[in-house]
Amino acid sequence: EPEVTQTPSHQVTQMGQEVILRCVPISNHLYFYWYRQILGQKVEFLVSFYNNEISEKSEIFDDQFSVERPDGSNFTLKIRSTKLEDSAMYFCASSERQIYGYTFGSGTRLTVV
Amino acid sequence: AQKITQTQPGMFVQEKEAVTLDCTYDTSDQSYGLFWYKQPSSGEMIFLIYQGSYDEQNATEGRYSLNFQKARKSANLVISASQLGDSAMYFCAMREGLIMIYNQGGKLIFGQGTELSVKP
Repeated sequence: EPEVTQTPSHQVTQMGQEVILRCVPISNHLYFYWYRQILGQKVEFLVSFYNNEISEKSEIFDDQFSVERPDGSNFTLKIRSTKLEDSAMYFCASSERQIYGYTFGSGTRLTVV
Repeated sequence: AQKITQTQPGMFVQEKEAVTLDCTYDTSDQSYGLFWYKQPSSGEMIFLIYQGSYDEQNATEGRYSLNFQKARKSANLVISASQLGDSAMYFCAMREGLIMIYNQGGKLIFGQGTELSVKP
């Protein structure tokens, strides 16, 4: 069964450093998303991406965050200068069409020290 | 305002018994979708079941069924014949505005989750 692949599974970074989280969505999907889940809390929407541009973003997704689809397969989330409070599980997801549910990747656990 | 409410932070169920996980939602949209996801301790998010607001039948997927009561704005998940492997966190989520502009994102709004423990 097709799956969304995220790398790395766990990343530790120093506060103030830039991190790039990588995702390979399912190949025929058109809609891409990033969510995050702070430990023990609910899953929160960050950003959605369609047709090579952001279609919606949350208030969490400030100027420190950016997304990119650098080629036909990868979808990346960049955090420019990490803060302690960015420590969370970050999920990538993709969807073939808006009205369907979508497939989540297995997540990247980001720890900022 | 809280859009998705899961009032049970934790639930216990005996193996082989059925369990209902509660979810209520708030939306003014006529068109929306409701989802349940399972998150085991390993952390991944596993899609379980989907109910569209216009679906007349309650959704079912194997041992999972969704008790959809539109007037009450509730979308409870029923797991029949619980198994030890069902122990996990369960999240209810909603996507508003299914009939929408083509390039809109269709984000999911999640509840706080219910931790289900299945006892042998």
